Formats: sequence, structure tokens, C-alpha cells
Amino acid sequence: EAGVAQSPRYKIIEKRQSVAFWCNPISGHATLYWYQQILGQGPKLLIQFQNNGVVDDSQLPKDRFSAERLKGVDSTLKIQPAKLEDSAVYLCASSQLAGISYEQYFGPGTRLTVT
Amino acid sequence: RKEVEQDPGPFNVPEGATVAFNCTYSNSASQSFFWYRQDCRKEPKLLMSVYSSGNEDGRFTAQLNRASQYISLLIRDSKLSDSATYLCVVNLYGNKLVFGAGTILRVKS
Repeated sequence: EAGVAQSPRYKIIEKRQSVAFWCNPISGHATLYWYQQILGQGPKLLIQFQNNGVVDDSQLPKDRFSAERLKGVDSTLKIQPAKLEDSAVYLCASSQLAGISYEQYFGPGTRLTVT
Repeated sequence: RKEVEQDPGPFNVPEGATVAFNCTYSNSASQSFFWYRQDCRKEPKLLMSVYSSGNEDGRFTAQLNRASQYISLLIRDSKLSDSATYLCVVNLYGNKLVFGAGTILRVKS
């Protein structure tokens, strides 16, 4: 079974530039998550989708971050404009259904460096 | 107080040792608890769920203490391959899982 795919794997940009990340979840998984993991910290949930609807985006900095999941499959996360503090690994995860009991499968992440 | 708190370590142990990690959480109404493992520069992967009665999977034992609001992970007969960061994960509010910052384990020969 193919896992969660993410691209690009690495990205270096200057502050105030924009960047976009792409995620393809495991086939059939209805729930998709985007996490931000800063060095030395655990992953922090940015946004959760159930199919193509947003379930939780309470920790998404909406002035600069946006995410969409058209057609309930692939998702993109965008940052515009980027700040130095956005340097982190952006992890996408998926699970079969929403709910705290379901295992989340993570992709390899996109490592973003903002200079 | 942090929502999910772990001792960051690192725990440096010899092969064959037994090591235990604790994790405390802030919401007494939390229902689900997990341990995830994260290798260096890799994604987190589920190690085991933690059930009220405690559960064991080979060399790994997880326990939950609701009264004191902590969970633990015990690793027996440590292997070099156990070296990783262990993330404590708790559902603090509704369906949202919150990850701790992780405990680093280094097993040395």
C-alpha cells in the first residue's frame, strides 16, 4: 500500500516570498491533516479536513497560511508571505476516518527554510 | 503548564537496559492516548495505543494513570534500533490530538 506522498521534500525561500506544499493521502483515507513541526518540538496541528470540508483550523495563522483540499483527495498548503519563524517541517497525515481512535499515517514531510 | 509534557532527555542507556518514559497531560477529560516513534529526520509512526488497563507489545509496555494524569512507556531489553524520539500524544479537546515535544532515547553498545 502506498503511503502519504508529499512534495517538495525541501524548500529554501527568502522571507516575504510565497511557497506551496502538496500532499496526496493514502487512497481511501477521508481525513487529512497538516502539521507544523519546529525543531525540538512535537508536531502542531494546523488544519484538519474531513473529505473536502475543514474540521479544525483553529491553529492556522490565517493571515498568511491557507489550505485547500479540492475533490476530497489531494491537498495544498500555502504560506504567503513567509516569515523566518515559519522555518519548520510541514507534515501531512491521513487517517481512514475522523476521530481520536484512528491511527494517523504521516508523510515524509517538507523541510522549509526561510532566510 | 504545558498541555502535554515530557522529559526531553536524552536518555542514554546501554543495550539490554530497561528504560521508562513518563508523560503528563493537562485535561482530565482526555480519552485517547498514544505513543508515536520518530526517527531522526523521519516522520512519526504509531508505536502503540495506551489503554486504561495497560497494554504490552513485545518489549514495550504502556500504562495509563488517570488519577495522576500521566502515561508511561517502558522498554525492556533495549536495542540499538530503539534509538529515536518517543512522542506522547493525547486528545485534549474533542477530536484534536496534541503531541508532546518528545523524549530522546539513545541506546549504545
